[in-house]
Amino acid sequence: NAGVTQTPKFRILKIGQSMTLQCTQDMNHNYMYWYRQDPGMGLKLIYYSVGAGITDKGEVPNGYNVSRSTTEDFPLRLELAAPSQTSVYFCASSPTDGYNEKLFFGSGTQLSVL
Amino acid sequence: AQSVTQPDIHITVSEGASLELRCNYSYGATPYLFWYVQSPGQGLQLLLKYFSGDTLVQGIKGFEAEFKRSQSSFNLRKPSVHWSDAAEYFCAVAGNNAGNMLTFGGGTRLMVKP
Repeated sequence: NAGVTQTPKFRILKIGQSMTLQCTQDMNHNYMYWYRQDPGMGLKLIYYSVGAGITDKGEVPNGYNVSRSTTEDFPLRLELAAPSQTSVYFCASSPTDGYNEKLFFGSGTQLSVL
Repeated sequence: AQSVTQPDIHITVSEGASLELRCNYSYGATPYLFWYVQSPGQGLQLLLKYFSGDTLVQGIKGFEAEFKRSQSSFNLRKPSVHWSDAAEYFCAVAGNNAGNMLTFGGGTRLMVKP
């Protein structure tokens, strides 16, 4: 199994550009998440989805949008990139919302906005 | 709202020495606690988790953690560190809202001296 796959691995954007970070999972998980990781700050939840067609905001949603048209895919969109969005982005999934379920993480996308 | 503090940003230990990584949490109810490990260039991998019952939990790769309610702590330990344990370690607490919403600490970077 591929698990959770993120593309691209690296990207440099100019201020004001837009881009979509792709995330797909092949485990038929209902729950999917987007986190950003800043040095020394741990991971912050941006958006999450409990199933196809359902998304909700996490702790730091401003400047981002998501969609969930299929169970497999959960893309994250940056409309007007800003330097504050320079970070490492992780997509994750889990089978249910039970507390005994672990998260499966992708390998991350390193984004720089200059 | 829940929070997690990892007081040590960096720790260096010699190979074969014992290890303890500290984690303190703030949460109003019974916590659900996790330790994740992140190897360079990789996503996070679950090491172990605590939900209830025995306060000493065993994880993968020879790690264990002890839940101490009186100290609001969930410290990670390993009796003998291997060079391959060099990584970043994250403590996390589960939220009390719908979904598996983890709050992560800032992480502790472990370096292992030969």
